[in-house]
Amino acid sequence: DARVTQTPRHKVTEMGQEVTMRCQPILGHNTVFWYRQTMMQGLELLAYFRNRAPLDDSGMPKDRFSAEMPDATLATLKIQPSEPRDSAVYFCASGPQGCSYEQYFGPGTRLTVT
Amino acid sequence: AQTVTQSQPEMSVQEAETVTLSCTYDTSESDYYLFWYKQPPSRQMILVIRQEAYKQQNATENRFSVNFQKAAKSFSLKISDSQLGDAAMYFCAYRSSDGNQFYFGTGTSLTVIP
Repeated sequence: DARVTQTPRHKVTEMGQEVTMRCQPILGHNTVFWYRQTMMQGLELLAYFRNRAPLDDSGMPKDRFSAEMPDATLATLKIQPSEPRDSAVYFCASGPQGCSYEQYFGPGTRLTVT
Repeated sequence: AQTVTQSQPEMSVQEAETVTLSCTYDTSESDYYLFWYKQPPSRQMILVIRQEAYKQQNATENRFSVNFQKAAKSFSLKISDSQLGDAAMYFCAYRSSDGNQFYFGTGTSLTVIP
């Protein structure tokens, strides 16, 4: 049963600390998305990769957020320095090559910045 | 810009009855994809159903079906024979034909009454 995995599932950190979230897409999927979910803003697309290349990161605050795909099996989202307003659930999703345009979501990382 | 609107923040349905969740969207494209995702309390986002805009036939997946009205830019989800396990937050989503843009609505919280 192929699934997107995300680590950690929960993270509590103090303001100013660096936070790294990791995602392992489903094997063979060539698209990876990072989303942030909050009560106020709902689901927001932060970054989008295809074949490991970033295609769109316009939704991401550039001064503190960065997203990378070191290889096809790992995507990372970093926040440095973190702020209380970054508290949210961060989802990673991957999708297969082709025309299905479906996304399969990971379980999310719940981030709390105090 | 494309937007997705879900005008019903909350809905409830009696077990075994039918409920319809509304979604409208705004786009200037003629080809695109529409989705309904389910998010239960576990936070896992689950794809419920998908509709390609070029298809006139409404998509159906078991007890889930859509009413796709392209001219009206409406994409409602009908859940028949509602079950307790259907209780969740439901998100309507739009994806552009090139796959580079993905927008979610704000969600509808569905309660199933035993």
